[in-house]
Amino acid sequence: DTVLTQSPALAVSPGERVSISCRASEGVNSYMHWYQQKPGQQPKLLIYKASNLASGVPARFSGSGSGTDFTLTIDPVEADDTATYFCQQSWNDPPTFGAGTKLELK
Amino acid sequence: EVQLVESGGGLVQPGRSLKLSCAASGFTYSNYVMAWVRQAPTKGLEWVASISTGGGNTYYRDSVKGRFTISRDNAKNTLYLQIDSLRSEDTATYYCAKDVYYEGYFDYWGQGVMVTVSS
Repeated sequence: DTVLTQSPALAVSPGERVSISCRASEGVNSYMHWYQQKPGQQPKLLIYKASNLASGVPARFSGSGSGTDFTLTIDPVEADDTATYFCQQSWNDPPTFGAGTKLELK
Repeated sequence: EVQLVESGGGLVQPGRSLKLSCAASGFTYSNYVMAWVRQAPTKGLEWVASISTGGGNTYYRDSVKGRFTISRDNAKNTLYLQIDSLRSEDTATYYCAKDVYYEGYFDYWGQGVMVTVSS
């Protein structure tokens, strides 16, 4: 299975820019997607196919990368962005998720 | 508005069976691949199974093959997951998710249903 490795928990101040990384153990083309999950809630799609903003998602969120290295950027970070962020690939079978990056606000 | 509402979870003894349901509304259900994704307590997300639009093709992660059966009823706009021979490692919140045109990512998720396997 394709293993997705995410950056560890991050703590940032509101108004700052934060980048969350995801590295795949093998190439996934551009089929990397990002989700936000707040405590007690279901995941929410933020970015699909590396850089496409999902419907209704603020433009503060953006995605980049291809192949094996991908980044989710939030700029500027707001208090409501406190959550765990998961990457997911769907290029190789089975679809796999990263372990998640917990974003905390200072 | 797209809605996915799961039901059927609970506390179950190891070795027993359970059937989860997911009622879909707000979109043309029969046009979309559907999936189940689970999340063990305080853990990450794990894809479990997917089913094609007509139900003729099903896909499973290796660890659940032979024990889990995904199915759908397009007349009732409902997705199912039959879980047999439950194990403690199946304890998780199970989410129903809508796939995006066979692209393998999920644009809508249900609120999840908890399955606890314990004696």
